[in-house]
Amino acid sequence: AQSVTQPDIHITVSEGASLELRCNYSYGATPYLFWYVQSPGQGLQLLLKYFSGDTLVQGIKGFEAEFKRSQSSFNLRKPSVHWSDAAEYFCAVGEHNAGNMLTFGGGTRLMVKP
Amino acid sequence: KAGVTQTPRYLIKTRGQQVTLSCSPISGHRSVSWYQQTPGQGLQFLFEYFSETQRNKGNFPGRFSGRQFSNSRSEMNVSTLELGDSALYLCASSISSGQETQYFGPGTRLLVL
Repeated sequence: AQSVTQPDIHITVSEGASLELRCNYSYGATPYLFWYVQSPGQGLQLLLKYFSGDTLVQGIKGFEAEFKRSQSSFNLRKPSVHWSDAAEYFCAVGEHNAGNMLTFGGGTRLMVKP
Repeated sequence: KAGVTQTPRYLIKTRGQQVTLSCSPISGHRSVSWYQQTPGQGLQFLFEYFSETQRNKGNFPGRFSGRQFSNSRSEMNVSTLELGDSALYLCASSISSGQETQYFGPGTRLLVL
């Protein structure tokens, strides 16, 4: 069965600083990979997804992620964090032939210092 | 286009009762998935419905069930509620089934006393 690990439960960065959130997955084949963001009291919003092709994926709100097969990783990055980026971020994996079922990581809560 | 709507937004029940949650997908979307979110277990897949058929089911007891109507609206039911069922229940819709982009609703927060 596939699994997703987000090693950092909490991360605090200063506004304007760069950000990298880590995600490692376990899956036999090339997975479908997603990053979602959840603001307090809200549902999940898709930031970006990787299905195939170019391993560097651009998303909304200035986020990007890089798929590295050799490291089984799909880390999320942003060059300059804004205070409004404070939220919880979830990495997720989808399987082939499994409909829309997603397996989520435990999440990383991002705090932004002024 | 209106987003995914979930009703009710908040619910308080007591142990042993049953509850029904509703999800209206984005117009034109035929797939609806349900997830449970708790502080301890995180986000866990419950089930997915596509064209009124259950496509996948997560590792939850039979007390958790769902259905989808011909207009793609979906309901999930939890019978014989337990304290551990307290959670945020999220619904997501997509155009079809097969790792399509999913759009999540705001969730229904269920508290079991």
